[in-house]
Amino acid sequence: GQNIDQPTEMTATEGAIVQINCTYQTSGFNGLFWYQQHAGEAPTFLSYNVLDGLEEKGRFSSFLSRSKGYSYLLLKELQMKDSASYLCAVMDSNYQLIWGAGTKLIIKP
Amino acid sequence: GAVVSQHPSRVICKSGTSVKIECRSLDFQATTMFWYRQFPKQSLMLMATSNEGSKATYEQGVEKDKFLINHASLTLSTLTVTSAHPEDSSFYICSASVAENEQFFGPGTRLTVL
Repeated sequence: GQNIDQPTEMTATEGAIVQINCTYQTSGFNGLFWYQQHAGEAPTFLSYNVLDGLEEKGRFSSFLSRSKGYSYLLLKELQMKDSASYLCAVMDSNYQLIWGAGTKLIIKP
Repeated sequence: GAVVSQHPSRVICKSGTSVKIECRSLDFQATTMFWYRQFPKQSLMLMATSNEGSKATYEQGVEKDKFLINHASLTLSTLTVTSAHPEDSSFYICSASVAENEQFFGPGTRLTVL
């Protein structure tokens, strides 16, 4: 079956760095997405990785290793507004998104 | 950037009534639109995928006669929840896709069935 695993909840301190991991097993691979979702709102797109390596976009970076079925989202210089759920999703061979359950990130002052 | 709107943002209805939710891509033409449902503290669950002018493809376990999807144009898709019941209360989110590597999400519609 298809499976996306990510931690349920993480806590970090304002100004610090946090890494949210995601491992996946899917039928085919056409890219991995990270989304941010604040409570009660729809997810917003953060990043897309289809090749191995690190993609940097401001305070957020995303890494992919296809051979390991592994990705992480790295958030630097954490701000209180970064408190949200972070969803990992993989596009399978049918170009459908398989979603993880999300990681709730709590930022403390 | 690409903008997707949904209407209404919130709806409360009586059990047994039908509710229509609209999803529009405002500044682009979407080849594919997706409908998701999200229960509290759970991930998005894909309900169906629709392409303009063709029948929607429903995920396993989603009743196509209960959740009617009409994708009439490249900028509009509608989801009608027929004979809604309290267990249908959820957050319904649409997304629209131009290319295969990105989906743009609508803001969501919170449905409460009394």
